[in-house]
Amino acid sequence: SAVISQKPSRDICQRGTSLTIQCQVDSQVTMMFWYRQQPGQSLTLIATANQGSEATYESGFVIDKFPISRPNLTFSTLTVSNMSPEDSSIYLCSALWRKEGTEAFFGQGTRLTVV
Amino acid sequence: GESVGLHLPTLSVQEGDNSIINCAYSNSASDYFIWYKQESGKGPQFIIDIRSNMDKRQGQRVTVLLNKTVKHLSLQIAATQPGDSAVYFCAENTDKLIFGTGTRLQVFP
Repeated sequence: SAVISQKPSRDICQRGTSLTIQCQVDSQVTMMFWYRQQPGQSLTLIATANQGSEATYESGFVIDKFPISRPNLTFSTLTVSNMSPEDSSIYLCSALWRKEGTEAFFGQGTRLTVV
Repeated sequence: GESVGLHLPTLSVQEGDNSIINCAYSNSASDYFIWYKQESGKGPQFIIDIRSNMDKRQGQRVTVLLNKTVKHLSLQIAATQPGDSAVYFCAENTDKLIFGTGTRLQVFP
């Protein structure tokens, strides 16, 4: 199976600061996604990271708060901006190799705590 | 809006028994579904998938059933083992993955 690496794996950040999470895939992929998973809950899609263009955000998520980059087919970043304790969560990167429905692989996640 | 949800938040089974985890979806246009397993501290791991032109698909110790009439999915795990303890999610895949609520499976000896 494919390898998706995220870093950092965890961080503790001060409120008002920003954190950028990196996601590296070991092969070229069609689509990349960013999810948030709050403790004890399911995964919520934040946005689809589009290569060479602006990300597509889901309802409730905006670019100013969660800017995303995807400069090529194997790499993406998610920034959590102006953090508050409510942003404490696990952030997960996912990659899909074909658009027409195939399994998506996940990174191990980034556990963020905002104090 | 669209949603994918689960009936049971926690399922406790005895080792060796069969487990059944259920999931309901609301988008009748969905044509592809995936079950994921998530262990503590890890990302979701693919288990099995099924397309809407199928009613059943079997893997190693796992079977997924799809009932399009009532928009219901189930994951059956045969001879459940302690290593099966995890949270299980169904997900609906169109051009993005939408996850259900999740069910925690606890296996006791």
